[in-house]
Amino acid sequence: QTVVTQEPSLTVSPGGTVTLTCASSTGAVTSGDYPNWFQQKPGQAPRALIYGTINKHSWTPARFSGSLLGGKAALTLSGVQPEDEAEYYCLLFSGGAWVFGGGTKLTVL
Amino acid sequence: EVQLVQSGAEVKKSGEFLKISCKGSGYSFTSYWIGWVRQMPGKGLEWMGIIHPADSDTRYSPSFQGQVTISADKSISIAYLQWSSLKASDTAMYYCVRGEGATNAFDIWGRGTMVTVSS
Repeated sequence: QTVVTQEPSLTVSPGGTVTLTCASSTGAVTSGDYPNWFQQKPGQAPRALIYGTINKHSWTPARFSGSLLGGKAALTLSGVQPEDEAEYYCLLFSGGAWVFGGGTKLTVL
Repeated sequence: EVQLVQSGAEVKKSGEFLKISCKGSGYSFTSYWIGWVRQMPGKGLEWMGIIHPADSDTRYSPSFQGQVTISADKSISIAYLQWSSLKASDTAMYYCVRGEGATNAFDIWGRGTMVTVSS
C-alpha cells in the first residue's frame, strides 16, 4: 500500500507564509491522485479545505491554496492567522485506494 | 443544510458486535460516496473504506479488509460501519465523510462516533 508522507511539524509566525507538502511512496504526486487537504483542530472533526489539487470549497479562506510542487502536493497558507494552528492532513488516491498522510502539526508562534 | 449525523458513543467489551451509523440529510444520499475514517487516540486519520449508497459498491483499504463491514440503506439515507467481534485495538473515533465521484472531493464530515472497547 502507498505511504503518504507529510512534514511532522512546522512553525510559522503570524502573518507569515508556510507551505505544507504531501509526498507519495509511488513517485510524483499528480492531479490524477486527486489531492484533498483537511484541517483538524483538537477535539473537532476534520474540515475540508482543498480538493482536486487546487480547488477550494465555498468555506475555505482565501489565504489557503493548493498546488503541485516538486513532485508533491502542497498546501500554502499566506498571511497565517493564529486560528490556523491545527493539524493538517492530505489525502491521495493511489493504487486504487485512498490514503491519508500522517499529518502536519502547524504551530503559529 | 447538508449534514452527516453519526450515532452516539459506544462502550463495548472485546468480542462483542457493534454497528455504528451515519445519516445523510440535506442532499441526495444516493448521489455521493460515504467514506469511513478511523482516528485512534492521539493519532492521525486512517482511511478505512468507502461505499456508494446507490448500488452499495464498496471498496476497503487493505488494512481494514476483513476487519470491518461497510454497508448502506439508501431507503433511509444511512451508511453503517460494523464489527463482528471487537478488539481493544478498535478503540478510536470513527468519522464518516461525503465524497463526490466526479470531482473526487471530500467535503462534509460527521462529528464522529467514539468507540471504546475494554478487554
